[in-house]
Amino acid sequence: AQSVSQHNHHVILSEAASLELGCNYSYGGTVNLFWYVQYPGQHLQLLLKYFSGDPLVKGIKGFEAEFIKSKFSFNLRKPSVQWSDTAEYFCAVLASGGSYIPTFGRGTSLIVHP
Amino acid sequence: DARVTQTPRHKVTEMGQEVTMRCQPILGHNTVFWYRQTMMQGLELLAYFRNRAPLDDSGMPKDRFSAEMPDATLATLKIQPSEPRDSAVYFCASGLGIGSYNEQFFGPGTRLTVL
Repeated sequence: AQSVSQHNHHVILSEAASLELGCNYSYGGTVNLFWYVQYPGQHLQLLLKYFSGDPLVKGIKGFEAEFIKSKFSFNLRKPSVQWSDTAEYFCAVLASGGSYIPTFGRGTSLIVHP
Repeated sequence: DARVTQTPRHKVTEMGQEVTMRCQPILGHNTVFWYRQTMMQGLELLAYFRNRAPLDDSGMPKDRFSAEMPDATLATLKIQPSEPRDSAVYFCASGLGIGSYNEQFFGPGTRLTVL
């Protein structure tokens, strides 16, 4: 079974700082990869996803993520964060051809100070 | 703008009472998931339905939890009897479950407090 590791549990940044959140997974086959965001008091929403093709994926609100197959990683990046990016970020992995049950990481809490 | 809806949004109950949470998936979606989110455990998968059939409920305490899909527009999660440790936010999510359209769409959640 696949597993997902998000190394940063809590990240605190100032506005305009650059962001990179780590996500590593363990599964040797083809995967679909997702980043979800959960703003305070709200539900999870899809930020971006990788299915196939260009390993550099651009999502909403200026976020992007790069799939590096050799490193089993799908790190999330944003060049300049805003206070409104304060949220919990979840990485998820779905093994292609499997049960269609994604595996979520524990989440990374991001606090952006104005 | 199609959305997953959940009711109730908040529920406060006493230990031992039955709790029923409802979810209306997005029309046309054939996969439904129930998750529980707590500070300690994060996001836990409780149950998974595909075409209304329960395919995985290994994450659910069988003695008190039950999940059903009486029809394609309604999924229910029931706790009987409820316990204080069940206090959490319960999310329902639905999806198409095929090809590149396999992301999940989450509902607003039911915040359950068991006293």
